[in-house]
Amino acid sequence: KNQVEQSPQSLIILEGKNCTLQCNYTVSPFSNLRWYKQDTGRGPVSLTIMTFSENTKSNGRYTATLDADTKQSSLHITASQLSDSASYICVVSARGDYKLSFGAGTTVTVRA
Amino acid sequence: KAGVTQTPRYLIKTRGQQVTLSCSPISGHRSVSWYQQTPGQGLQFLFEYFSETQRNKGNFPGRFSGRQFSNSRSEMNVSTLELGDSALYLCASSIQAGGPVYEQYFGPGTRLTVT
Repeated sequence: KNQVEQSPQSLIILEGKNCTLQCNYTVSPFSNLRWYKQDTGRGPVSLTIMTFSENTKSNGRYTATLDADTKQSSLHITASQLSDSASYICVVSARGDYKLSFGAGTTVTVRA
Repeated sequence: KAGVTQTPRYLIKTRGQQVTLSCSPISGHRSVSWYQQTPGQGLQFLFEYFSETQRNKGNFPGRFSGRQFSNSRSEMNVSTLELGDSALYLCASSIQAGGPVYEQYFGPGTRLTVT
């Protein structure tokens, strides 16, 4: 069964600090990995999409890394802002399968 | 370009009733996927439609059904509602013009509460 596990489940950081979220997956054969940001009560918004040939991708203060060999990804948030408070969801797609496997998400709370 | 729209945004139903949710994808997008999101289970895939055909289905009972119209708009129906069906139902659309990597755009969701 394809699985996506995220850690930590939640974290609290002070405004201006950095943080890193982790995602481990067992999806195979791997096609691509996405990170989404979901604000409370709203739909997820894509931050990055990476294929197996990409090991890092940035979107502003968000930087995602991918190690397809160890099946691990991380999302690094630099100089956090209050607006970064949200749930961050890791999503993995298998090659030849249009279904997406979702992680449970990491809830990030940024405090002033 | 307008984003994915879902109606209604909020809905309260009673156990045993049925409900229909609507999703209008981004113009030009032919694929529409539906997801259920609950605090305990996270996001779970319901089904995906492409050009009016159901292409993929998740592990949900037959009470959950959907359809897609020729203009790519999609509806999802849940019959004989149960308390556990209370959730945020999200719709996502994509072009799926080719290749394995396609961007999915989510709507704001419909918050369904079953009492």
